Amino acid sequence: QSVLTQPPSASGTPGQRVTISCSGSNSNIGSHTLNWYQQLPGSAPKLLMYSNDLRPSGVPDRFSGSKSGTSASLAISGLQSEDEADYYCATWDNSLKGLYVFGTGTKVTVL
Amino acid sequence: QVQLQQWGAGLLKPSETLSLRCTVYNGSFSGYYWSWIRQPPGKGLEWIGEINHSGSTRYNPSLKSRVAVSLDTSKNQLSLKVTSVTAADTAVYYCARGYCIGGVCYLGFDYWGQGSLVTVSS
Repeated sequence: QSVLTQPPSASGTPGQRVTISCSGSNSNIGSHTLNWYQQLPGSAPKLLMYSNDLRPSGVPDRFSGSKSGTSASLAISGLQSEDEADYYCATWDNSLKGLYVFGTGTKVTVL
Repeated sequence: QVQLQQWGAGLLKPSETLSLRCTVYNGSFSGYYWSWIRQPPGKGLEWIGEINHSGSTRYNPSLKSRVAVSLDTSKNQLSLKVTSVTAADTAVYYCARGYCIGGVCYLGFDYWGQGSLVTVSS
C-alpha cells in the first residue's frame, strides 16, 4: 500500500496538456523533494524530474513539475504518442526509520 | 554512457535465497549511491534498499530482516541478497544509480539496469 496516491489513469489527445497529481503527507512530500519517473512498457523507469521541478539533461521541457505542501503534480504539455506510459511520483518518507517511496502510478493514454 | 548490467537466478523455490548482481560499466562507484528496486508483475515500484560508495546501507523496513546490499568496488559490482523468499518476492528487480550532478546528490535514480525477472514458485 503506497503512501503516495496518484490517479490510476489520465488521457489526452495529441497536443493537449495532461496533468497527473500525487498526494502524500507531511512525512514524505511535505518534508522532501519529489521525483517523477516515466516507465514505457517493458522498460526500466526513466527519471523525468528531480528536486520537484528540475529536469535531468535530455528530458524535454514539455514535462514540468510542481509541489505545494503535501501534494505535487506533473504536467505534460504538447502531448505526443510516445508519452503513452506509466508515470510514478516518488520521494523519501520519514516514517518507519525512513524509506524511498513510490506513488501508485498513473497510466497515461494518448487518444 | 554509463550502463548497468544485471544477472542472477530467475527461478527460485520458496525459502531459497535470491541473489542478483549488477555491474557498472563506464562509470565509478565513488560519489554515488546505489539502490535496488523491484516491481511485481503488473504492479508498482518498491524500493528495496541502498548503499553508498562508502558501504553504508539503508533498507526498506518491511524487507530489512531479509535483505543485504553490498558493493565490490574492485569489480564495479553491486549485489542483492534476499533470504527466505516467498511468492510475494516474485518481481522484476532493478539496480539503479542515485542522481548526482556537480558533486551534489539528489533524491532520484538516473541510470537503471535492464531488470531481472525473479519468479518464486514451488
